Amino acid sequence: IAGITQAPTSQILAAGRRMTLRCTQDMRHNAMYWYRQDLGLGLRLIHYSNTAGTTGKGEVPDGYSVSRANTDDFPLTLASAVPSQTSVYFCASSSGQPNTEAFFGQGTRLTVV
Amino acid sequence: AQRVTQPEKLLSVFKGAPVELKCNYSYSGSPELFWYVQYSRQRLQLLLRHISRESIKGFTADLNKGETSFHLKKPFAQEEDSAMYYCAPYSGAGSYQLTFGKGTKLSVIP
Repeated sequence: IAGITQAPTSQILAAGRRMTLRCTQDMRHNAMYWYRQDLGLGLRLIHYSNTAGTTGKGEVPDGYSVSRANTDDFPLTLASAVPSQTSVYFCASSSGQPNTEAFFGQGTRLTVV
Repeated sequence: AQRVTQPEKLLSVFKGAPVELKCNYSYSGSPELFWYVQYSRQRLQLLLRHISRESIKGFTADLNKGETSFHLKKPFAQEEDSAMYYCAPYSGAGSYQLTFGKGTKLSVIP
């Protein structure tokens, strides 16, 4: 089934540990995004990528890094997790053209303890 | 960059009552605006885009440039409309950043 897939679905992580959230899409979309969703704060953009090989910082990039080695994959890494990074993380992709729809993954619920 | 404000975190209406979810925007250039919806335990999905001038699930949204608004409306709320609704501007001028408002949780009371 075509779409966008995130892994893992949920994770409990000890503070200070490194963690990579995976995101894969098979729609050949140029643009990909990572968001975190927190109660009362909505969806906040962490990092984005317009095309393979390029990335950019969003609204809340500190403590996170991304890479875009190819079109399909856009992993998000927490180098040293802190409790404030407890959140639900969503990956999304779009063609990057004006007025086109973004497609979202099912989310990763991350708890840092 | 385009920004949106959704002034209501929570909106409760009775079934059959009209619904209006507010979204105000500020922008540089021509706005490209969307409404996304997230039903309980589901992923976000597109509901409307302003350029299409469409009606989806009974919802409509008109871009009002004078008031810089893109309010989402439905004449008669249904229980299945209960969800989180996000207004989203799209900055497509070479930097494809899709950002979202803080969202409004709509609760339709039976």
